[in-house]
Amino acid sequence: DGGITQSPKYLFRKEGQNVTLSCEQNLNHDAMYWYRQDPGQGLRLIYYSQIVNDFQKGDIAEGYSVSREKKESFPLTVTSAQKNPTAFYLCASSISGDNEQFFGPGTRLTVL
Amino acid sequence: AQSVSQHNHHVILSEAASLELGCNYSYGGTVNLFWYVQYPGQHLQLLLKYFSGDPLVKGIKGFEAEFIKSKFSFNLRKPSVQWSDTAEYFCAAGSGYSTLTFGKGTMLLVSP
Repeated sequence: DGGITQSPKYLFRKEGQNVTLSCEQNLNHDAMYWYRQDPGQGLRLIYYSQIVNDFQKGDIAEGYSVSREKKESFPLTVTSAQKNPTAFYLCASSISGDNEQFFGPGTRLTVL
Repeated sequence: AQSVSQHNHHVILSEAASLELGCNYSYGGTVNLFWYVQYPGQHLQLLLKYFSGDPLVKGIKGFEAEFIKSKFSFNLRKPSVQWSDTAEYFCAAGSGYSTLTFGKGTMLLVSP
């Protein structure tokens, strides 16, 4: 069954703690993305990676970090420097940058 | 800078009414266009896409969209909505090797 998996579905953390969100795809896509979705603000791009071992900042990268050591995996770390981390986080992948993106189910992060 | 704007943040319709959601983009050159839908509690999924050719594109569940290059528009339409069309709709655009840019979304509520 091909697709994108994100885990966990819900995540709670205390303020000041770093937390890593998982994203895995078995679609053999080169490009992967992380978005943040807040009510009324649409999808805002955090980081993206067009190829393994390379990634670029999106529009709201401050307070986040990523790695792309494997084609299938693109984990996102929400650091304590992110001022407003409570949000719904979506991971996506695509064959290329301008092509259709496939989305995972999302992770809802709540920082207490 | 590349941008995508959606005209309405919220739309409320009765069942059987016709739907048109506006989307305008600002891109130079060739552009790929997409409409995504997010049903309550579900993944973001593709409704339809336009790369080239016939500017009238048909998608899933009776949706269609028309690309009007002179107006930089890609409006989504459906002749008769159903209660099950209640969802959030996102327009997106991409060009060359850039990532997609998403609009802020339109929340559609269809009352039975």
